Amino acid sequence: DVKVTQSSRYLVKRTGEKVFLECVQDMDHENMFWYRQDPGLGLRLIYFSYDVKMKEKGDIPEGYSVSREKKERFSLILESASTNQTSMYLCASSFSRDRGLRTEAFFGQGTRLTVV
Amino acid sequence: AQSVSQHNHHVILSEAASLELGCNYSYGGTVNLFWYVQYPGQHLQLLLKYFSGDPLVKGIKGFEAEFIKSKFSFNLRKPSVQWSDTAEYFCAVIAGGFKTIFGAGTRLFVKA
Repeated sequence: DVKVTQSSRYLVKRTGEKVFLECVQDMDHENMFWYRQDPGLGLRLIYFSYDVKMKEKGDIPEGYSVSREKKERFSLILESASTNQTSMYLCASSFSRDRGLRTEAFFGQGTRLTVV
Repeated sequence: AQSVSQHNHHVILSEAASLELGCNYSYGGTVNLFWYVQYPGQHLQLLLKYFSGDPLVKGIKGFEAEFIKSKFSFNLRKPSVQWSDTAEYFCAVIAGGFKTIFGAGTRLFVKA
């Protein structure tokens, strides 16, 4: 079974802190994603990466950055946490089929971040 | 811009009732379509997917979905729900690129 592991289930941080969310997958997937999940808004893509050291902005990248130094690890960084970044953060990974077609994503358990 | 619309945000059913959750997407080209489910306290997991071929796809736990290209729809169905189907359901689309676009989700509550 694919396993996507997020480093924390719950985090409480203060406004202005730099926050690191870590994600590791064990299936050698090329693609990794960070989403935030908010009630009534579904999942919104923050950033994704389709290879080591590659990253692409999603729909809501403002206030976030990412790092992918190794294939299995994808980190989300909140440079200066703000209260409107209080949310559930989901990491996911997927592999690419022939011709780069993307397949279904496998998700971690999520990190519930509260910024006070 | 590409988008996914789920028609109902909250659905309440009694056990044994039939379920249909609507999903429409906006994209004119080739799509990959998915339904994901999130049970209380658990991670999101795949329920079923459509890439090509038979537009009626069957997933886990008795769920199925039908892709109707002319209607840009991918509705989820189950003939008889159980209390254990209480969860949030997300429709998702990969359309012409890397990104998976999710709908807002539908919370299903099944009364025992």
